[in-house]
Amino acid sequence: QKEVEQNSGPLSVPEGAIASLNCTYSDRGSQSFFWYRQYSGKSPELIMSIYSNGDKEDGRFTAQLNKASQYVSLLIRDSQPSDSATYLCAVNRGRDDKIIFGKGTRLHILP
Amino acid sequence: DVKVTQSSRYLVKRTGEKVFLECVQDMDHENMFWYRQDPGLGLRLIYFSYDVKMKEKGDIPEGYSVSREKKERFSLILESASTNQTSMYLCATQTGQGNYGYTFGSGTRLTVV
Repeated sequence: QKEVEQNSGPLSVPEGAIASLNCTYSDRGSQSFFWYRQYSGKSPELIMSIYSNGDKEDGRFTAQLNKASQYVSLLIRDSQPSDSATYLCAVNRGRDDKIIFGKGTRLHILP
Repeated sequence: DVKVTQSSRYLVKRTGEKVFLECVQDMDHENMFWYRQDPGLGLRLIYFSYDVKMKEKGDIPEGYSVSREKKERFSLILESASTNQTSMYLCATQTGQGNYGYTFGSGTRLTVV
């Protein structure tokens, strides 16, 4: 089982709709969870961190964590064309605290 | 905001050359990391450092070495560049206080010919 799994996409969402990105992880000892946005040819940029079960909102972004199901998600409300990017889920590995990255989901917002 | 500066945006080197990739950060972060990113393979950890003079191997250290002589600078060295080291190289930093996310530099796209 891969440590951090994401659907590679592309996920196509109409402008103004909610984009939902999902991620599962294998290490039950993980305590820190992150979402990065990466535009084509650019480096990843941290957009959300979440450490406890439930929802965390920041502007149009909501991160959701369910440790029992080992599941993290990112919701983007009122999607804009500028949200078109690859979104990387990242999780700290319990045994050595390293951050492990998923391979990312490509999101395409349709104008 | 933390600034993480990588010395070159694009680099072309010949097979067998010794290559130095530099990373400098200005926010006094203890932890620094080197990753490479390849299509279909994602981000892979090469080396990391939690302190000056300290270095540890990541998941794919073969063919690479690192140097951290000062807290703000972490260098990645390709001892003898090979074509399979053509990749995007990303430096990242992290505060040592608590488990926070990484801040990445802008990346160096290295092509070995």
